[in-house]
Amino acid sequence: DAGVIQSPRHEVTEMGQEVTLRCKPISGHNSLFWYRQTMMRGLELLIYFNNNVPIDDSGMPEDRFSAKMPNASFSTLKIQPSEPRDSAVYFCASRTQSSYNSPLHFGNGTRLTVT
Amino acid sequence: AQTVTQSQPEMSVQEAETVTLSCTYDTSESDYYLFWYKQPPSRQMILVIRQEAYKQQNATENRFSVNFQKAAKSFSLKISDSQLGDAAMYFCAYRSTSGSARQLTFGSGTQLTVLP
Repeated sequence: DAGVIQSPRHEVTEMGQEVTLRCKPISGHNSLFWYRQTMMRGLELLIYFNNNVPIDDSGMPEDRFSAKMPNASFSTLKIQPSEPRDSAVYFCASRTQSSYNSPLHFGNGTRLTVT
Repeated sequence: AQTVTQSQPEMSVQEAETVTLSCTYDTSESDYYLFWYKQPPSRQMILVIRQEAYKQQNATENRFSVNFQKAAKSFSLKISDSQLGDAAMYFCAYRSTSGSARQLTFGSGTQLTVLP
């Protein structure tokens, strides 16, 4: 099992540019989560999907952030336009919904730096 | 809403010694799940151990064990025979079993240093 795959591993961009983060969940997992990790705020849930449908996007900071899951094997998190305060590590995680105690499996994260 | 509190931002332990990381949570639910995740410098989030609230027996995974005190809403992690590879940020997490809140709520983390 390849685990949750995120790309890119690192992203450096200038303020105002569009940024797209990508995630491939573990095959068979039907729940997908996007988290943001910063020193100040720790791990924050941005949005999660069940069976490709967004369930809770209340953690998305503002309209500049959007997430999609067009199919069970792919999700994107887009920031447009990006700002320096968006600099963080963004994690994607997946799990199977079939059992309450099934753990989240995290990707290695994307470190985003907006200058 | 549930909250998870890790009151120790940093901890250190001598190699081969035992260390306990604290975690408390606030919930009105009776059934839920608790987890400890480890995040080494590689940044990957790794599940260390999990506990079902309905189980009275404390979970154990090799050198890692928990002290689950449901009434006190406490879920501490004990690492025995600490190794240099245990150095990482440790996150405590809570998962509700209610239909609309099955995502994890994380604590702020405890940075563990293992001294040789």
